[in-house]
Amino acid sequence: GAGVSQSPRYKVAKRGQDVALRCDPISGHVSLFWYQQALGQGPEFLTYFQNEAQLDKSGLPSDRFFAERPEGSVSTLKIQRTQQEDSAVYLCASRADAGPYNEQFFGPGTRLTVL
Amino acid sequence: AQSVAQPEDQVNVAEGNPLTVKCTYSVSGNPYLFWYVQYPNRGLQFLLKYITGDNLVKGSYGFEAEFNKSQTSFHLKKPSALVSDSALYFCAVRDIWSNTGKLIFGQGTTLQVKP
Repeated sequence: GAGVSQSPRYKVAKRGQDVALRCDPISGHVSLFWYQQALGQGPEFLTYFQNEAQLDKSGLPSDRFFAERPEGSVSTLKIQRTQQEDSAVYLCASRADAGPYNEQFFGPGTRLTVL
Repeated sequence: AQSVAQPEDQVNVAEGNPLTVKCTYSVSGNPYLFWYVQYPNRGLQFLLKYITGDNLVKGSYGFEAEFNKSQTSFHLKKPSALVSDSALYFCAVRDIWSNTGKLIFGQGTTLQVKP
């Protein structure tokens, strides 16, 4: 596809359930980011991959959050035992290379609502 | 600490008038600055960036931004607003302490262009 895609677009989970959010970056893009965007706020960094290597996970809010990119392409963000405070839009972004100068291309996001 | 501030939650302008969306930053060293636009139910779209060089940066859809180091500002401008410019705008700065290029976002400014 031409852009970054994410699925599902909307997810409703009961508190305590596990969820998995998928990101398909632009083909060939080396870098992949996950951000969390709470209602009325700007996106906040969660984690970064360079190819399959997770080089920065400093933004993950708890050990309930886990991300992987096993083949250096598709990435999955998993949240275990969801809590109400996990409700947010989760944005995935990819960048063509590993350098910090170029823009990131964002997907449409997954809106997670935890009841 | 590094941060980005967008002092206006909302900016209202009439179609055809010039618009300015304000952004100030606080980082040590040389900042890399970005503007993104977010339409409802869509991901962030890149508008423009400042890395180095000319203080006036031109971007997509007729937008431009002026980097002012003494005022630590990077205001977004457009000479003549369109109704279709109505959206949520985010200013972001690269986290200077990270070599991943992860972004620190402001809280966003809603631009409303009225016919």
